Amino acid sequence: ETGVTQSPTHLIKTRGQQVTLRCSSQSGHNTVSWYQQALGQGPQFIFQYYREEENGRGNFPPRFSGLQFPNYSSELNVNALELDDSALYLCASHTRKSGGPNYGYTFGSGTRLTVV
Amino acid sequence: AQSVTQLGSHVSVSEGALVLLRCNYSSSVPPYLFWYVQYPNQGLQLLLKYTSAATLVKGINGFEAEFKKSETSFHLTKPSAHMSDAAEYFCAVSGEGSYIPTFGRGTSLIVHP
Repeated sequence: ETGVTQSPTHLIKTRGQQVTLRCSSQSGHNTVSWYQQALGQGPQFIFQYYREEENGRGNFPPRFSGLQFPNYSSELNVNALELDDSALYLCASHTRKSGGPNYGYTFGSGTRLTVV
Repeated sequence: AQSVTQLGSHVSVSEGALVLLRCNYSSSVPPYLFWYVQYPNQGLQLLLKYTSAATLVKGINGFEAEFKKSETSFHLTKPSAHMSDAAEYFCAVSGEGSYIPTFGRGTSLIVHP
């Protein structure tokens, strides 16, 4: 059973640029969630994708967007990068259960984004 | 809105001593509660979860947590700390809306020889 893989592991971008982060979900999982973890903070929920559609969104501006593909992998896109976007971006996959708790989250090791 | 508060951003113990990491939650519905561990430069690993069954939950690596509704708490304990337990620990709650977990700010566990 493969886990969640994220790429790249590290990335440096300039303010104003755009970035795309990638996530391959664990085998058998159909839902992907993205979290932003600033230094010294807990993960903050960005959004979740299920059946290729956004299924929930945290308090993040529209310049944070995503995609989910038929194989359940996902991308996180951030436009017009700001210095405060520097963080560890975590992807988590699980199998969504209708009306029930999503406690089967498997996290990837994250992408460390530095905006200069 | 659901939330968790982790008391103490850093906890320092000696090897072999009791580990106690505190977590209090707020939720308008019966919560599901989790503890995750994060080692440097890694993602989050699930230690244990409470899903409305037994209130005392045993997890991996000798950790356990007790759900106390009257105190809205879900503290994490381990009888004897090992050097390898040094890491960041996160408490999380879900249950409202789409059951997406909300994380606390984390507690860094430091283990001294």
